[in-house]
Amino acid sequence: NAGVTQTPKFQVLKTGQSMTLQCAQDMNHNSMYWYRQDPGMGLRLIYYSASEGTTDKGEVPNGYNVSRLNKREFSLRLESAAPSQTSVYFCASSEGVSGAWAFFGQGTRLTVV
Amino acid sequence: GIQVEQSPPDLILQEGANSTLRCNFSDSVNNLQWFHQNPWGQLINLFYIPSGTKQNGRLSATTVATERYSLLYISSSQTTDSGVYFCAVGRGQGGKLIFGQGTELSVKP
Repeated sequence: NAGVTQTPKFQVLKTGQSMTLQCAQDMNHNSMYWYRQDPGMGLRLIYYSASEGTTDKGEVPNGYNVSRLNKREFSLRLESAAPSQTSVYFCASSEGVSGAWAFFGQGTRLTVV
Repeated sequence: GIQVEQSPPDLILQEGANSTLRCNFSDSVNNLQWFHQNPWGQLINLFYIPSGTKQNGRLSATTVATERYSLLYISSSQTTDSGVYFCAVGRGQGGKLIFGQGTELSVKP
């Protein structure tokens, strides 16, 4: 049982390049999330998907797009990377209802130069 | 939105010591979780505790929802307890979480 799997684990981009971070969960969870973690800070929500077919903005959505491909997969796209998007990105999933634990992937360390 | 404040920001302990970490939140919540981020960056679930008290081995947590705070107790600390402890809260449906800034714990042998 892999839980939440993110790829890649590390990435270096040049300013203006695009990339997609992939996330898949095998726990049959309804809800999935993308967070970013900057040094010395807690995680901040970028986008989330409460259920298959829906996506909504979180606290810091600017510069990102998401796709809920199916119940298992939720991808995060940077169309034109900026140095301010240098961060560690975490994908998470949960049942999305009261009482549900959130489970996190291993994180993707992204550097934009 | 809901504000989450954790204290202290940093804590250094000798192995075997006990500690209490605090999480204050500014509004009512129906979801409160504690996580441990280990030195490799992995986030590990500790407790789901929007109210009441729970214990898991050397760790226990108490949330007093009416007073909007939660406490995480670590007893007989070990070097493997080192890392950052996050409190995260949510309200309504959907499972979205708002994280505090974390408490960085260092346990010395």
